[in-house]
Amino acid sequence: AQSVAQPEDQVNVAEGNPLTVKCTYSVSGNPYLFWYVQYPNRGLQFLLKYITGDNLVKGSYGFEAEFNKSQTSFHLKKPSALVSDSALYFCAVRDGNSGNTPLVFGKGTRLSVIA
Amino acid sequence: GEEVAQTPKHLVRGEGQKAKLYCAPIKGHSYVFWYQQVLKNEFKFLISFQNENVFDETGMPKERFSAKCLPNSPCSLEIQATKLEDSAVYFCASSQSEGVTSGREPVPFTDTQYFGPGTRLTVL
Repeated sequence: AQSVAQPEDQVNVAEGNPLTVKCTYSVSGNPYLFWYVQYPNRGLQFLLKYITGDNLVKGSYGFEAEFNKSQTSFHLKKPSALVSDSALYFCAVRDGNSGNTPLVFGKGTRLSVIA
Repeated sequence: GEEVAQTPKHLVRGEGQKAKLYCAPIKGHSYVFWYQQVLKNEFKFLISFQNENVFDETGMPKERFSAKCLPNSPCSLEIQATKLEDSAVYFCASSQSEGVTSGREPVPFTDTQYFGPGTRLTVL
């Protein structure tokens, strides 16, 4: 079985400062990891994913995430936060060894970027 | 189309009434997934389709929920006799992979699931 933990319900950061949204995962097979963002009253927008290859993955809107196998983590980062980054962020995992399985999501982290 | 489309945006039903939600996947995508987002933002997987065939229905409440993906029609999720606890946002996602085999090893499904805007169901 797979699971995802996002230990922070809320992250506050000042505009222009770096941001980190934490995610740890548990999967029995091969982890495929994803980050999505949800703006109010909107669907989930895909940001980035890790399947294989370089541990540092770059995605949309200047976001990146680092896959750390030993710590089973996939933290989302951005060097300089914008007010418009304020949203709800979800980390998700699937087992890449098990076919086209559904995503298992974390509970989400609300990011507030303060001007 | 280039985006997953879901209709309606909002749906209000009295307890015991039927609710039907629709999803048009991205053109060329073979897989459709339905998820339910309940209070506290938790996502629950319901069912997935590979073209018009049920692929995985392990999350589907069998008694009142049903779903279809018929050729040349939007996919649908139907709830018979809605209950208060069915109030949620229902998301549809589509992905492209066919998982074509290559030699002895199956090609893993690496494609991203792209989500629609969701349907907010309120049961009164």
